[in-house]
Amino acid sequence: SQELEQSPQSLIVQEGKNLTINCTSSKTLYGLYWYKQKYGEGLIFLMMLQKGGEEKSHEKITAKLDEKKQQSSLHITASQPSHAGIYLCGADTAGGTSYGKLTFGQGTILTVHP
Amino acid sequence: NAGVMQNPRHLVRRRGQEARLRCSPVKGHSHVYWYRQLPEEGLKFMVYLQKENIIDESGMPKERFSAEFPKEGPSILRIQQVVRGDSAAYFCASSPSRGGINYGYTFGSGTRLTVV
Repeated sequence: SQELEQSPQSLIVQEGKNLTINCTSSKTLYGLYWYKQKYGEGLIFLMMLQKGGEEKSHEKITAKLDEKKQQSSLHITASQPSHAGIYLCGADTAGGTSYGKLTFGQGTILTVHP
Repeated sequence: NAGVMQNPRHLVRRRGQEARLRCSPVKGHSHVYWYRQLPEEGLKFMVYLQKENIIDESGMPKERFSAEFPKEGPSILRIQQVVRGDSAAYFCASSPSRGGINYGYTFGSGTRLTVV
């Protein structure tokens, strides 16, 4: 089974609505990275979380890492068409003292209707 | 301050030809990672390199694929005798330290390889 599960797989919302994307791991997360990818383009770094309970915000996007460090959520407030894209969570499950090759979730496709 | 530069952006190869993908990391970054994104699949780790060293190639197919990161110049991912199943987007990432702890990973825009 997938080591990193994202939900939902796709999401369609009306502009102005709030939404949440979840990323659940079967292993302890030593580093959790959120990226956004436009179709056919590269990955844009959004946020990185390391500590259990950590929460970071940038503009209208907030990401949290739960206390047990096995789940992260990405919340977008008052969504805009510019938020549309594929959201990917990437995790370092190898431990903080080793190099971190990332395991990625399958992605969540977000569509925002004007 | 340039990010990770990958070229070419698009590459078309006939079956049996060689494909060379280049990656110039962020200036000052000495750690490079290659990932592959197959159609309908997620990003998968391929290889982790430091200057002149392959640290982890556990995600590389055993045959036809090789990677290098020379002392001077970009990192190169080489695919020999390409097959249709190699068609994918190949992404390069770099970091200033081992792993992404504290600094994260910067990804390039990718090279989209199409094998015809």
